[in-house]
Amino acid sequence: GNSVTQMEGPVTLSEEAFLTINCTYTATGYPSLFWYVQYPGEGLQLLLKATKADDKGSNKGFEATYRKETTSFHLEKGSVQVSDSAVYFCALTSNSGNTPLVFGKGTRLSVIA
Amino acid sequence: DARVTQTPRHKVTEMGQEVTMRCQPILGHNTVFWYRQTMMQGLELLAYFRNRAPLDDSGMPKDRFSAEMPDATLATLKIQPSEPRDSAVYFCASGWGTESYEQYFGPGTRLTVT
Repeated sequence: GNSVTQMEGPVTLSEEAFLTINCTYTATGYPSLFWYVQYPGEGLQLLLKATKADDKGSNKGFEATYRKETTSFHLEKGSVQVSDSAVYFCALTSNSGNTPLVFGKGTRLSVIA
Repeated sequence: DARVTQTPRHKVTEMGQEVTMRCQPILGHNTVFWYRQTMMQGLELLAYFRNRAPLDDSGMPKDRFSAEMPDATLATLKIQPSEPRDSAVYFCASGWGTESYEQYFGPGTRLTVT
């Protein structure tokens, strides 16, 4: 079945540090890939997506590239801020839009000033 | 600013009691998902609907869980009887059509069963 594996947290960084959160997936066919973010006490919000190989999703300074050869979708940001502290989830869906998501376990990021 | 709303936000109940959670999807969205979040299992799909018809409820324990959409503006998730292992955060999400990929999540219902 489909699955997503992402790096265990928590990750603690100083402000302006470089961020990488690793994500790899197993899926049949050609999945679409997502990063969602969850701030304390809130639901998940879509951060970025990529729907085909070599696509790069980007938003709010975050980027991730869909690498089919390595089945990866690593999240990166060049300079994190305290406001980026949250839990980040990598996810996939194996079909067309608006079908159920399969999530990784989440990675908690804490950014300290 | 359109949002998915969920009620109640918090629920504490005793084992054996019925629990009903409600979700109001964003107006115009035709796809509704129920997910459960626990520390051990992470986020899992329980059920989802399109145009009010259930498409997949294989993630739900059928003997105690039920999900319905009485109308396009309301989705419900019921647990009867509740058990301590049902303690989790339950999220509702909604989206539109089959071309859009974004799912909009509600704030969740935190359920504690003692």
